[in-house]
Amino acid sequence: GNSVTQMEGPVTLSEEAFLTINCTYTATGYPSLFWYVQYPGEGLQLLLKATKADDKGSNKGFEATYRKETTSFHLEKGSVQVSDSAVYFCALRVGQGAQKLVFGQGTRLTINP
Amino acid sequence: DGGITQSPKYLFRKEGQNVTLSCEQNLNHDAMYWYRQDPGQGLRLIYYSQIVNDFQKGDIAEGYSVSREKKESFPLTVTSAQKNPTAFYLCASSAGRGPQETQYFGPGTRLLVL
Repeated sequence: GNSVTQMEGPVTLSEEAFLTINCTYTATGYPSLFWYVQYPGEGLQLLLKATKADDKGSNKGFEATYRKETTSFHLEKGSVQVSDSAVYFCALRVGQGAQKLVFGQGTRLTINP
Repeated sequence: DGGITQSPKYLFRKEGQNVTLSCEQNLNHDAMYWYRQDPGQGLRLIYYSQIVNDFQKGDIAEGYSVSREKKESFPLTVTSAQKNPTAFYLCASSAGRGPQETQYFGPGTRLLVL
């Protein structure tokens, strides 16, 4: 079946540190991959996506590269800010049309000033 | 502004009571979805709808019901058969087909049992 595994949290970093949140997946077919961010008490916001192997998604200083050979989609940011504190979800979707997203369990990130 | 609205933000349910969560979108999206989020977990799909007057069960549909009478609206009813309804409920919508299809989420409704 399809599944997503994220690095366990919580993750705590100091401001301006380098961030990596690992995400690996198992999927039948060729999935599209997503990172969503959830701020406290809010819904999910799309952060970035990639739809085929070697694509790099990027937004707000965050990047992730779709690595088919390692079935990974790790999220990175070179210098985090306090405002990046949130829960980050990696997700995949297989197939076309209305298809569910398969989510990882989420990684809580806290950035200290 | 285009977007997805969910109401209410907080909802309280008494034992044996049915409650309905609202989801409205003005993005002209064909597909809509309901997910449930429990603390420390990812989201699980309850129901989804590809077009008006059509919907399918997701992974955890038991104890829930939906309708899709209008393109803009996809209300979720949590019935008394749902024994553990306390959770954060998220509605999403998407347009198009193929790899570029992207789901956009509303702000969520938190359901609590009295």
